[in-house]
Amino acid sequence: KNEVEQSPQNLTAQEGEFITINCSYSVGISALHWLQQHPGGGIVSLFMLSSGKKKHGRLIATINIQEKHSSLHITASHPRDSAVYICAASGGGADGLTFGKGTHLIIQP
Amino acid sequence: DVKVTQSSRYLVKRTGEKVFLECVQDMDHENMFWYRQDPGLGLRLIYFSYDVKMKEKGDIPEGYSVSREKKERFSLILESASTNQTSMYLCASSAAEAFFGQGTRLTVV
Repeated sequence: KNEVEQSPQNLTAQEGEFITINCSYSVGISALHWLQQHPGGGIVSLFMLSSGKKKHGRLIATINIQEKHSSLHITASHPRDSAVYICAASGGGADGLTFGKGTHLIIQP
Repeated sequence: DVKVTQSSRYLVKRTGEKVFLECVQDMDHENMFWYRQDPGLGLRLIYFSYDVKMKEKGDIPEGYSVSREKKERFSLILESASTNQTSMYLCASSAAEAFFGQGTRLTVV
């Protein structure tokens, strides 16, 4: 069974700072997902990665398959980025995702 | 716009009641999942289904059952609700990428 570890658990930063959230997993995967959950809100899928790097606006996700590691970066962070960010590993079958416990990010104005 | 819709955002039920949580997706996905989310434990898989009338236990199926009579609908059933089932319940469907419902916050009193 895959183990997914995220760090840090909690992160508080000032508006404008560059943010990095890390995710590591223990066994090979078919895809790595980054998800965002705002307080009281549902979960939104930000990225699905199987290799390399993806960018969407101020968000960048990278994955290193050999090292079993992925990072989510936020450039020019803004208070509206405050949310829980969750990484999840998919083995590619129908048995769902294995989730990290999430990183609670607070961006202060 | 793709959608996974859960029937309720908030529910309050009494101990011993039978509870139905409904999830509908409009993406013609074969795979559907029910998770619960608890502080400090993250998201854990309760049940999943990879086809109509097919179901598989996840990591924490005790106290739950599911029904998948139609491809687009996956129901989670609490046969006799207990206070330890107070949680956020999330439905997801997937092909390659996962899509999530908005969550149902269930309180059992």
